[in-house]
Amino acid sequence: RKEVEQDPGPFNVPEGATVAFNCTYSNSASQSFFWYRQDCRKEPKLLMSVYSSGNEDGRFTAQLNRASQYISLLIRDSKLSDSATYLCVVNMNRDDKIIFGKGTRLHILP
Amino acid sequence: DAGITQSPRYKITETGRQVTLMCHQTWSHSYMFWYRQDLGHGLRLIYYSAAADITDKGEVPDGYVVSRSKTENFPLTLESATRSQTSVYFCASTWTLGEQFFGPGTRLTVL
Repeated sequence: RKEVEQDPGPFNVPEGATVAFNCTYSNSASQSFFWYRQDCRKEPKLLMSVYSSGNEDGRFTAQLNRASQYISLLIRDSKLSDSATYLCVVNMNRDDKIIFGKGTRLHILP
Repeated sequence: DAGITQSPRYKITETGRQVTLMCHQTWSHSYMFWYRQDLGHGLRLIYYSAAADITDKGEVPDGYVVSRSKTENFPLTLESATRSQTSVYFCASTWTLGEQFFGPGTRLTVL
């Protein structure tokens, strides 16, 4: 099993729709989780951290499921500007190891 | 200006040449990282540093050398560039192993 795995997509979603994608991780001892956003040919930027209790930031909701070892990102009322690649990041808490997923591409269609 | 910068932003070089990519951050972050990003592979860690004078290998260190004599600088050197090292290189920094702040990237082409 890969350490961090994401569906590469692309997810083609009409504007205004709700979209969700997951990220699975292999190390049950992992303690820190993040979602980053990367626009084409730009650097990744933190979208949100993922807490055990889940967290919400406007239209974005992130959740952690430790039992099944995955994190999720939900985007409601999607906007054209949400089109990007979303990277899942897991801190393995082992040897300073931070693993980036390969990303999920999202296209919001007008 | 505060932040993390990389130079050069674009570089074209030839096989066998030595190339150094620079990374500078103004936050005094302890951790610094070098990644390469290629289609189909996502971000792959080359080297990282937990503090000045402390560096460690990441997933793909072969062909690269790093140093960190000062907290704010973390140069990456390709000792003898190869075509397979054509990539986009990102530097990042962070206080602890939380949010990483990325530089704008260096696009390197090895002919």
